[in-house]
Amino acid sequence: QVQLQESGPRLVKPSETLALTCTVSSGSVSSGSYYWSWIRQSPVKGLEWIGHIYYTGDTKFNPSLKSRVTISVDTSQNQFSLRLTSVTAADTAVYYCVRANPFVGTAADYWGRGILVTVSS
Amino acid sequence: EIVLTQSPATLSLSPGERATLSCGASQAINTYLAWYQQKPGQAPRLLIYDASNRATGIPARFSGSGSGTDFTLTISSLEPEDFAVYYCQQRSRWPPTFGGGTKVEVK
Repeated sequence: QVQLQESGPRLVKPSETLALTCTVSSGSVSSGSYYWSWIRQSPVKGLEWIGHIYYTGDTKFNPSLKSRVTISVDTSQNQFSLRLTSVTAADTAVYYCVRANPFVGTAADYWGRGILVTVSS
Repeated sequence: EIVLTQSPATLSLSPGERATLSCGASQAINTYLAWYQQKPGQAPRLLIYDASNRATGIPARFSGSGSGTDFTLTISSLEPEDFAVYYCQQRSRWPPTFGGGTKVEVK
């Protein structure tokens, strides 16, 4: 079955850029239909859908984060990535990469284990 | 954005009992609702999609119902592994949003 694994720095300084990568195994980011997505979870905001990239390269972002977010895909490495600029303490959260599957109502049917990213100087 | 309100915040029950969890939407979302289960230290797991369809491998004791603004997740007879936090999530309008969760704890 599909497996996802987040990687990246766990500590980011305020005003800097958070950059995470999700490596997908037993599945292809370039296969049709799926939305490769990022979701974060914090005690304050709960679960928050950040955005997704479709296999065509089309992206869609949460309006609350749109000005600071980029999601890209590297088909050669079977990875997709998240960049969030100008971070503050409010961006401290567990970040999950997930597969949103339109065959199950575009719900997130596969999740990575999550990575805790702390924003602090 | 669409706000989802879950109730109760905490449900204290014993194994074998029936659990009924509610999720209310701030506007009608048809049946575009999913339910997830999350255990401590783990990622959420998809249980139900489109209000009433069980995801692959989900036991039949989990069922979902509702449409419009009112939804219910029912666990017919709680097993020890069912004590966890449950979240609803809508996909009717972008961005997808989640409820605040209901914790099902051992009484």
